[in-house]
Parts: sequence; structure tokens; C-alpha cells
Amino acid sequence: QKEVEQNSGPLSVPEGAIASLNCTYSDRGSQSFFWYRQYSGKSPELIMFIYSNGDKEDGRFTAQLNKASQYVSLLIRDSQPSDSATYLCALGNNDMRFGAGTRLTVKP
Amino acid sequence: GAGVSQTPSNKVTEKGKYVELRCDPISGHTALYWYRQSLGQGPEFLIYFQGTGAADDSGLPNDRFFAVRPEGSVSTLKIQRTERGDSAVYLCASSRNGGGGSPLHFGNGTRLTVT
Repeated sequence: QKEVEQNSGPLSVPEGAIASLNCTYSDRGSQSFFWYRQYSGKSPELIMFIYSNGDKEDGRFTAQLNKASQYVSLLIRDSQPSDSATYLCALGNNDMRFGAGTRLTVKP
Repeated sequence: GAGVSQTPSNKVTEKGKYVELRCDPISGHTALYWYRQSLGQGPEFLIYFQGTGAADDSGLPNDRFFAVRPEGSVSTLKIQRTERGDSAVYLCASSRNGGGGSPLHFGNGTRLTVT
């Protein structure tokens, strides 16, 4: 079993809709969780991080963490075509392990 | 301030040759990470430095791969006897504290092509 699992997609949503991206992980000891966005041909860039159970909001982005169920999700409200990218979930243990990423397309 | 700098941006080499990839992290960042990314995949962890020492090198695929960070700043990833399967984008990232608690800041990567 991979340490970090993401649905590779592609996930397609219309402009203005809510995009929901999910990630499950196997290490119950994981304490910190990160979402990165990666545009085609570019390096990953940090969107959000979350350490505690519950929701954390930052603008149009909300990260949700449920340690008991071992999943973390990212919601993007009012999706824009510029949000089209691959979204990577990462676990911050002693190292930093990434999932394979979910490709999101927001259609105008 | 300056971000993470990786050189070269592109490297083409022949099978069997030796290559070095360089990473200059953000000033003051104690942790430095190397990843390898193939098309359509997430970054694959290779090695993590805390200061000068390799805190975790469990991701290095075999003994052809080696990395150093002698003064706790610049790091070099070294690949011996390159193979076509080594072709990928090699990403370097740094973070303020490491230990998984701080976000990573990535460089632009080095695209390695082994012919």
C-alpha cells in the first residue's frame, strides 16, 4: 500500500463550482499535511498546510483533516480556469512524501 | 529574497556517464530535500538533509546515487553510470526547520535526459 493515495483524475468541474480533492494516508503517526499545486512544466508550490483535525480556510481554499479516518481533503470554491493544475498531497513526517497528484481541469 | 536555485536547468548525457546536479537552498533553511519526478507522477522522495548530515536517504534507488551537503548549504546530487531510466526532473526543495513540520520551497528543477 502506498503511503499517500490520491485519485489521479482527471477531475473536471465547471467554472464557479466547488472542486473537491481527496487524499488518504497509511501512517497514523503523521502530524502535518500539505497541499501543493503544480502547473504543467513547473515546480510544486504550497497552497495550504494543516496540522489539526477539522477545517482550515484560506480564501477560496479549505483544507479538511480527519486523522481517525486518515484522510485529508482540499476544497476549492468558485473554481477558476487558472486553478487547472495538478494538486499534490504531502505528508510531513521526518521526510516529506507526496501522492501521485490529482489533475484538475476547470472549464470556462 | 532569492529562492531555491538549481543548476543546470537541463542536462543531456549519454548512458554510462557521470552527472552532478546542484542545489542552492534559501539562505537560513536548515533542511534540504531531493526528489525525482517522472511525467504524470508525484515527486518521489530521494534524500533529506538536516544541516550537513543525511537524516534520511531511504529513497535513493541504488548505490549509483549519492548526495552531499558538506557545509550545510549547497547540495550536490551525484549519479554514476547513468541509465536511461534515470531520465526525469530532479527537484530540490528546502525548508526552514525540516522534520516534516515546515513547508517546502522548491527550485525549478533539473531535467535530466540520458540518451
